[in-house]
Amino acid sequence: EIVLTQSPDFQSVTPKEKVTITCRASQSIGSSLHWYQQKPDQSPKLLIKYASQSISGVPSRFSGSGSGTDFTLTINSLEAEDAATYYCHQSSSFPLTFGGGTKVEIK
Amino acid sequence: EVQLVESGGGLVQPGRSLRLSCTASGFTFGDYAMSWVRQAPGKGLEWVGFIRSKAYGGTTEYAASVKGRFTISRDDSKSIAYLQMNSLKTEDTAVYYCTRDLPGYSSSWYDYWGQGTLVTVSS
Repeated sequence: EIVLTQSPDFQSVTPKEKVTITCRASQSIGSSLHWYQQKPDQSPKLLIKYASQSISGVPSRFSGSGSGTDFTLTINSLEAEDAATYYCHQSSSFPLTFGGGTKVEIK
Repeated sequence: EVQLVESGGGLVQPGRSLRLSCTASGFTFGDYAMSWVRQAPGKGLEWVGFIRSKAYGGTTEYAASVKGRFTISRDDSKSIAYLQMNSLKTEDTAVYYCTRDLPGYSSSWYDYWGQGTLVTVSS
């Protein structure tokens, strides 16, 4: 099973700051890594697919990078509405797995 | 508009069974693979299982934690995916989401999620 390790677990950030979340895979997964945002009491929402591909309707301040085992989700100029938990997810091989999540709080 | 609506959740005793349904609309259901993901209260997301479209055999994959107890099936004529859960354990307590996968043999990203249905396993 491929283990995805996210860091940090929690981040408290002021608006307009830049946020960086990392996701490390226990073995190479190419670019089969996707990012989701989940707000309280809501279903997850797809932010980035295949490590760096943008999703229609997602604000351009969200971007992804990486390949192999190391991946990054960047939120440029954080807005209050970005308070949420962020998850990475690998689809390289079964069983599919998710990272443990990173909770982003607005100061 | 793509919609996924889960139903069938509720309170069930350990060892008993429950079947969840995911009713899809707004797309050609039979062309797509479907997946189930769960989230225990206050915890992160956990992948449960996946079913391919009939074009790829309609075969399934499961997480180790549910393999042998849970079964995913589909009825393309009704645009419904099912999650049959047997021998339920307290640790199966979670919100269960169905998600739309992609056409194809392998899984990928999930662009649509249902609202989730809560399953509580308790005596």
